[in-house]
Amino acid sequence: AQKITQTQPGMFVQEKEAVTLDCTYDTSDPSYGLFWYKQPSSGEMIFLIYQGSYDQQNATEGRYSLNFQKARKSANLVISASQLGDSAMYFCAMREGNFNKFYFGSGTKLNVKP
Amino acid sequence: DTEVTQTPKHLVMGMTNKKSLKCEQHMGHRAMYWYKQKAKKPPELMFVYSYEKLSINESVPSRFSPECPNSSLLNLHLHALQPEDSALYLCASSQGGRINTDTQYFGPGTRLTVL
Repeated sequence: AQKITQTQPGMFVQEKEAVTLDCTYDTSDPSYGLFWYKQPSSGEMIFLIYQGSYDQQNATEGRYSLNFQKARKSANLVISASQLGDSAMYFCAMREGNFNKFYFGSGTKLNVKP
Repeated sequence: DTEVTQTPKHLVMGMTNKKSLKCEQHMGHRAMYWYKQKAKKPPELMFVYSYEKLSINESVPSRFSPECPNSSLLNLHLHALQPEDSALYLCASSQGGRINTDTQYFGPGTRLTVL
């Protein structure tokens, strides 16, 4: 089974609107971390936000928030007030326990329309 | 400072050439990673170094040879590559602690073309 699933290959959003990018994960380890990265066309992977499996509250970082639903094993990224510069590929990733390996989803290509 | 640097930014090489990719971080991180990424695909893990020792090799062909001279540097030596090895090569680092909060930070990548 895939560790990380992103079911939206591409998304469009109007500038200044909010958008949710979906991510579900699969693990039996009680200790894990979930990460979102942004990859513009330039290629660099930019870390956006982190959520730990034991965190009680949803993570937030500026316009980014993570909607963490543990029972559903989902970790959706919410971007508020979209900007043209948000157009990029977005990857969800997970690290299990104390193992130095990160699993990536297939990514979602976000296009922000003016 | 969360900067990871990679050189060169672009590399074109023939199948008989030998070249090296370099990665450097000054964040005191003890884990370093090499990924290969094809267009419109997620990064694929190649190697992980933890405390300067190779801890993960994802069955990468021997024409790719990693090296970690010290805790700040990571090299990837390339020899007799194939055209299908053309890709974006990303280096990343993390603290390397045994905790799930350990966050990877990536460099800008090297775009490799094998002719």
